[in-house]
Amino acid sequence: GPKVLQIPSHQIIDMGQMVTLNCDPVSNHLYFYWYKQILGQQMEFLVNFYNGKVMEKSKLFKDQFSVERPDGSYFTLKIQPTALEDSAVYFCASSLRQQDTQYFGPGTRLLVL
Amino acid sequence: GQQVQQSPASLVLQEGENAELQCNFSTSLNSMQWFYQRPEGSLVSLFYNPSGTKQSGRLTSTTVIKERRSSLHISSSQITDSGTYLCAMTGYQNFYFGKGTSLTVIP
Repeated sequence: GPKVLQIPSHQIIDMGQMVTLNCDPVSNHLYFYWYKQILGQQMEFLVNFYNGKVMEKSKLFKDQFSVERPDGSYFTLKIQPTALEDSAVYFCASSLRQQDTQYFGPGTRLLVL
Repeated sequence: GQQVQQSPASLVLQEGENAELQCNFSTSLNSMQWFYQRPEGSLVSLFYNPSGTKQSGRLTSTTVIKERRSSLHISSSQITDSGTYLCAMTGYQNFYFGKGTSLTVIP
């Protein structure tokens, strides 16, 4: 099936530093999403993005978070500065339409020390 | 409160047995999706099923919008079915996951 790629697969970073998580969505998809899953806990929605703009964000999407997809390249999640509680697996997803199957990437495992 | 309730939280099956996983929603539903999360964490989309019944191999999903519920039926379970099954719903501009059902299939 359609593949979503995420780079890097793992990232270890010191608290306070900046990190950028990269997502390569399915090529013709128009809607993009980030989710956060702390180890052993529920998957939680962070943000969705369409036509260059954030459509909706959850309360987990703190001011330190930002997303963009410059010139149709990677869809990125930037955290600046990072905090210990940002340690989690971050999943990217994409869909062709808003109410449609979302395809997920394998996740980026972020550890903030 | 929890928008999506999944049951059971965990389930152990003998290989060959059937399973019925449930997902109940507390708000109006626009669409829903079932996922399989592998033990290492990656997600596989099983069904996008906002209403009605869909079947794929040994898996069948049935969503009843009026009753705000969806089910996933696994027939003739296999050891490789072990993992976590997640349902997720979208309401109006919201997307919520359940906590999942952890399935273990033993020989």
